[in-house]
Amino acid sequence: GAVVSQHPSRVICKSGTSVKIECRSLDFQATTMFWYRQFPKQSLMLMATSNEGSKATYEQGVEKDKFLINHASLTLSTLTVTSAHPEDSSFYICSARFGGPADEQFFGPGTRLTVL
Amino acid sequence: AQSVTQPDIHITVSEGASLELRCNYSYGATPYLFWYVQSPGQGLQLLLKYFSGDTLVQGIKGFEAEFKRSQSSFNLRKPSVHWSDAAEYFCAVGTVKAAGNKLTFGGGTRVLVKP
Repeated sequence: GAVVSQHPSRVICKSGTSVKIECRSLDFQATTMFWYRQFPKQSLMLMATSNEGSKATYEQGVEKDKFLINHASLTLSTLTVTSAHPEDSSFYICSARFGGPADEQFFGPGTRLTVL
Repeated sequence: AQSVTQPDIHITVSEGASLELRCNYSYGATPYLFWYVQSPGQGLQLLLKYFSGDTLVQGIKGFEAEFKRSQSSFNLRKPSVHWSDAAEYFCAVGTVKAAGNKLTFGGGTRVLVKP
C-alpha cells in the first residue's frame, strides 16, 4: 500500500525557535497533501491543504504566518512552526493523496512537538 | 458545515464479543464517509469507506459499516473482536470541493479489549 513518512517523529524545542516537519510520500506522487493537528485525547483538526507548486489553503483560524507550509515536490511537503510557543505543542499529522477528491488519503505516523 | 459525532468516548469489550461503534454526521449533501483506526506509533489506517451504492460496506480486518441516510449514521461493526483491535477509531465525513476531499473527523472512540 501507499506509505507516508514523517520526520522527525518527536521533537523538543525551546520557546521562540522554529521547527520544520517533513512529510514524504514514499511510493507514490501526491497531488495533494494535508496537515492536521491532534490534541491529546481529541480528534484531528485540518490545518491546511497543499497542492504541489501552489500556495497552501489554510483553514479558518489557522495562522498562515505561524504555520508555513511548502509543497515543493510531488513527494515532499514541509510544515514549519515559526517562533514556537508552548501552546503549539501538539501531535502533527500529514496525509497525502495521489488521485482525485474522492480518493483515499494516506496518513503519516505523526510528529510529536513539545515546546518548552 | 459538516460535522461528525461519535457519542462513545470509550468502549470496553471482551475478546470474541461483538463490537459496534456509533457515528452520526451532519452534511447537506450525500456524504463520503470513512472509518479510520489509529494505533500508537502508527498512522491512521483506512478501514472502509462509503461513497455510493450498497449501504452495507465491507472493510479490512473483518469490519463492516452500514450507511443509514434516515438516521444520518454510519456505524461500524465487527462480529468478533480480537485483542489487536484495541485502538482509537475515527469516523470522518469528506466533502468534495475545488480544493479536494477535505475530511472532518469525529472525536474518536477508544476501544479496550478485555482478555
